[in-house]
Amino acid sequence: GDSVTQMEGPVTLSEEACLTINCTYTATGYPSLFWYVQYPGEGLQLLLKATKADDKGSNKGFEATYRKETTSFHLEKGSVQVSDSAVYFCALSDASGGSYIPTFGRGTSLIVHP
Amino acid sequence: DSGVTQTPKHLITATGQRVTLRCSPRSGDLSVYWYQQSLDQGLQFLIQYYNGEERAKGNILERFSAQQFPDLHSELNLSSLELGDSALYFCASSVAGTKNNEQFFGPGTRLTVL
Repeated sequence: GDSVTQMEGPVTLSEEACLTINCTYTATGYPSLFWYVQYPGEGLQLLLKATKADDKGSNKGFEATYRKETTSFHLEKGSVQVSDSAVYFCALSDASGGSYIPTFGRGTSLIVHP
Repeated sequence: DSGVTQTPKHLITATGQRVTLRCSPRSGDLSVYWYQQSLDQGLQFLIQYYNGEERAKGNILERFSAQQFPDLHSELNLSSLELGDSALYFCASSVAGTKNNEQFFGPGTRLTVL
């Protein structure tokens, strides 16, 4: 079946440092790819998405490029802020028997220090 | 605020009991998803409904069942509860449940089984 692998956290950075959270996937079809963010005590919310190869999703300074050749969708940000501290989930949506099954990675915790 | 509501926020019960979790999707969304989030298993997709009908099934135990009503709200029923069922249960909704659709997550119900 489909799967998503994310780097294990926590990732600890100082404010204004560069961020990369690695995400690779395996899928039987041609999935859409997503990054969701979960702030403490809240549900997940969409950060960005890409629906086909070489698409770049971007939002709030974060970006990720759909790389079909390496089956990757790494999340990057040039300068993190304390307010970016959260758990980040890479996810895919792939067709299966006429429906679309969502698969999530285990999440990567990001801690940003002032 | 995602527009998705879940009740109750917290639930404490004993092994062997049965509970019902409720979810109201965003206005206009036809698709509802249920997830279980635990420390050891991460975020697991349980089941999806679209406009009242079951659309996709994930890692849902036979002791668990769900339904979506004509007003589009959904309920997740968990029976013969075990200690290992303690987790955060999220509901999410999307417009149509297709591959590219963003999911909007509720705040979750924290279930504690004693």
